[in-house]
Amino acid sequence: GAGVSQSPRYKVAKRGQDVALRCDPISGHVSLFWYQQALGQGPEFLTYFQNEAQLDKSGLPSDRFFAERPEGSVSTLKIQRTQQEDSAVYLCASSLASKGLGPNEQFFGPGTRLTVL
Amino acid sequence: AQKVTQAQTEISVVEKEDVTLDCVYETRDTTYYLFWYKQPPSGELVFLIRRNSFDEQNEISGRYSWNFQKSTSSFNFTITASQVVDSAVYFCALRYGGSQGNLIFGKGTKLSVKP
Repeated sequence: GAGVSQSPRYKVAKRGQDVALRCDPISGHVSLFWYQQALGQGPEFLTYFQNEAQLDKSGLPSDRFFAERPEGSVSTLKIQRTQQEDSAVYLCASSLASKGLGPNEQFFGPGTRLTVL
Repeated sequence: AQKVTQAQTEISVVEKEDVTLDCVYETRDTTYYLFWYKQPPSGELVFLIRRNSFDEQNEISGRYSWNFQKSTSSFNFTITASQVVDSAVYFCALRYGGSQGNLIFGKGTKLSVKP
């Protein structure tokens, strides 16, 4: 089945390195979300795309975090000059519908576990 | 402010016991959705149920049941006759009317079911 996929599954970076995390949503899904899940915590919203438009980036913790979805499908979350506090699991989710409430389930990928040394 | 509170950090039960996971939410919106997700050790979030704010009917799905009470802003989840495979972290989440659709999660409850 073609669910949400993310790569790499695990990433170890030295402090100060740049990293890029990839998300392949379910084909045809309009909405794409990125979440950050620290150890022992619930996921926290980072940013939202509707097709290629980034409509909400209010959850990005600093200007070192940047996300894009240039063709409205695959998305990349980039973290520049990584810090130890960036260590977390980064989850991607997609849903069929566009903005607004409705029975538009979010389907989550397996996440990328980032460890910054 | 929008918030989800799961007061139980960890619960341990013996197989076949019933267990209830608590969820309390806060929102000023009259239109919202509530969710439960399961996160097994593999890490992937698995959708369990969605409830909208206008439907307070309780729901049962096999061994799972949900009790939604607007009067107490609670959306509790009960597993009947628990099994070892139910061991996971369970998250309650809120999507409110003013959002783009992003979910607000509680901190999760880790359920351990021992044989």
